[in-house]
Amino acid sequence: QVQLEQSGAEMKQPGSSVRVSCQVPGGSFGTFAITWMRRAPGQGPEWIGRIIPIVDTSKYSRNFQGRVTITADKSTATAYLDLTDLQFDDTATYFCGRDTAYKVAFWGQGSLVTVAS
Amino acid sequence: YVVTQAPSVSVAPGQTARITCGGNTLSDRGVHWYLQKPGRAPVLVLFDDSDRPSGIPERFSGSRSGNTATLTINRVEAGDEGDYFCQVWDDDNEYPVFGGGTELTVL
Repeated sequence: QVQLEQSGAEMKQPGSSVRVSCQVPGGSFGTFAITWMRRAPGQGPEWIGRIIPIVDTSKYSRNFQGRVTITADKSTATAYLDLTDLQFDDTATYFCGRDTAYKVAFWGQGSLVTVAS
Repeated sequence: YVVTQAPSVSVAPGQTARITCGGNTLSDRGVHWYLQKPGRAPVLVLFDDSDRPSGIPERFSGSRSGNTATLTINRVEAGDEGDYFCQVWDDDNEYPVFGGGTELTVL
């Protein structure tokens, strides 16, 4: 089992930004992609974007284009999701996952982001 | 790619649950299934249409016919409750596409 460790819950105001981190211990970072998705209350999973750390390339969902940046720090085996201009409907639990062979074999425990004034 | 799932399925304990995932075109990269319980991370329960990861009971099986994939759970137990969502791969854009999830309730 690969355990992905995510950062803790965040409370943010509308218009602000949030950074969620995802650490992958065990030395295998870089041999797979990291995908990010979120689940808002009562909603289905929504893919946000992914990064391939070994080549440092990212792809994003059109739904988040312009507001999202995904990066990876190979030295600490950590991926980051930055989301700007937060709105109330960005309230969700954000998950990172180890994305390999066209599926996500392991997920992080989730990071709750609440947008409230 | 668009993948569609029924929002909910209910079955009695010991019966068989079938959860479907339909798409305009299901990719050649396989259909994968996840179970997510409230407040928990998703868990991969089937991959490549019908393969089970280590630790997933044999009661879980999968199949695909045309543009519809089916997750079948035999002898359903209370612990099988949760949200099951499917995932395919968009080859053109190189990213995963998720179904909306089907909430399984064990009566």
